[in-house]
Amino acid sequence: AIQLTQSPSSLSASVGDRVTITCRASQGISTALAWYQHKPGKAPKLLIYDASSLESGVPSRFSGSGSGTDFTLTISSLQPEDFSTYFCLQFNTDLTFGQGTKVETK
Amino acid sequence: QVQLVQSGAEVKKPGSSVKVSCKASGGTFSSFTINWVRQAPGQGLEWMGGIIPILGTPKYAQKFQGRVTMSADESTNTAFMEVSSLRSEDTAVYYCARSGTYYGHFDYWGQGTPVTVSS
Repeated sequence: AIQLTQSPSSLSASVGDRVTITCRASQGISTALAWYQHKPGKAPKLLIYDASSLESGVPSRFSGSGSGTDFTLTISSLQPEDFSTYFCLQFNTDLTFGQGTKVETK
Repeated sequence: QVQLVQSGAEVKKPGSSVKVSCKASGGTFSSFTINWVRQAPGQGLEWMGGIIPILGTPKYAQKFQGRVTMSADESTNTAFMEVSSLRSEDTAVYYCARSGTYYGHFDYWGQGTPVTVSS
């Protein structure tokens, strides 16, 4: 099974900071990767699909990049509502998730 | 707007079974993949498998084959996921989520169903 290694597991940041989260696949998955935001008690929200396509309605401060095994989610200027957990999902072969990154306030 | 509404929280004894439902509204049901995902306390998300209602044949993650049964009722736009022989490790929040393409990324999620397994 394809494994996704997401890092860091948590980070502390301030409003306005640029935040970068990475996801590494154990084998090549082309661009079959999505990023989600997950707040406690709520359904996860799709941010990015196919590695770099921004989901409709998602602010442009979110962006994704990468292909093959290495992927990045970037928040260009962190906003108060962005403090949350983020995770990646690969759908190239079956489906597996990264372990998540909790973005906390510094 | 697509909505997936799941059944309510469950408390079960070890060795019993639980069946969770996921009712879709606002979009086409039969030709999309309905996936099931779970998250145990303090753990990451785990894909359990999925089903395309119009095809009817589920696809299970290897870990869940034999103990999980997924089904769908096209007449009520509802998908079901049953876990048998429950053990404490099955305590988790169970989500349904729709793939807009064949076992692709999830574009819509249910609200989650907490299942607690305790004697």
